[in-house]
Amino acid sequence: AQSVTQLDSQVPVFEEAPVELRCNYSSSVSVYLFWYVQYPNQGLQLLLKYLSGSTLVESINGFEAEFNKSQTSFHLRKPSVHISDTAEYFCAVTTGTASKLTFGTGTRLQVTL
Amino acid sequence: EAGVAQSPRYKIIEKRQSVAFWCNPISGHATLYWYQQILGQGPKLLIQFQNNGVVDDSQLPKDRFSAERLKGVDSTLKIQPAKLEDSAVYLCASSRDLPPYEQYFGPGTRLTVT
Repeated sequence: AQSVTQLDSQVPVFEEAPVELRCNYSSSVSVYLFWYVQYPNQGLQLLLKYLSGSTLVESINGFEAEFNKSQTSFHLRKPSVHISDTAEYFCAVTTGTASKLTFGTGTRLQVTL
Repeated sequence: EAGVAQSPRYKIIEKRQSVAFWCNPISGHATLYWYQQILGQGPKLLIQFQNNGVVDDSQLPKDRFSAERLKGVDSTLKIQPAKLEDSAVYLCASSRDLPPYEQYFGPGTRLTVT
């Protein structure tokens, strides 16, 4: 069985500062990894994904995540955050043999001026 | 393409009443998922359909929750009778039946049980 750990429940940061949201997973087989973002009163939106190939993946709004197999991590980073990035971020994992998506408990990113 | 549609967006009921949620997945997506998201937690899978068959309902409280996807397209999730602890956001998602099974989510239904 797979699992996901997001150690930080909340991350406060000032606008234009860098941020890293941590995600660690466990699985006995190879995985696909995802970051979803949830804005208030909305559903989850896919932010970025790692399927295979390059371990660094990027989103269209400046976020990036790096897959590290040895550390079983998939941390999310952004060099300069904006107020509009305030949201809940969920890391999720699934394996190639089943479609069940296992989510972490989420990290609330709070960006202030 | 149109996204996953859900209705209603909000629902308030009293405990012991019944409630139903509706979901219409993205066209062509064979797999449909219902999740329960309690405040402060990640989504928890309740049930997964592939076409109109159930793939996984291991975490569905079957004494009070039921779900169906009769024609392999839209789906309904019902709670009868509701309990206070059922207060949550109910999310529907859909995906193609191919790896990596990328899931697309609807806006959710926020249920408050009083």
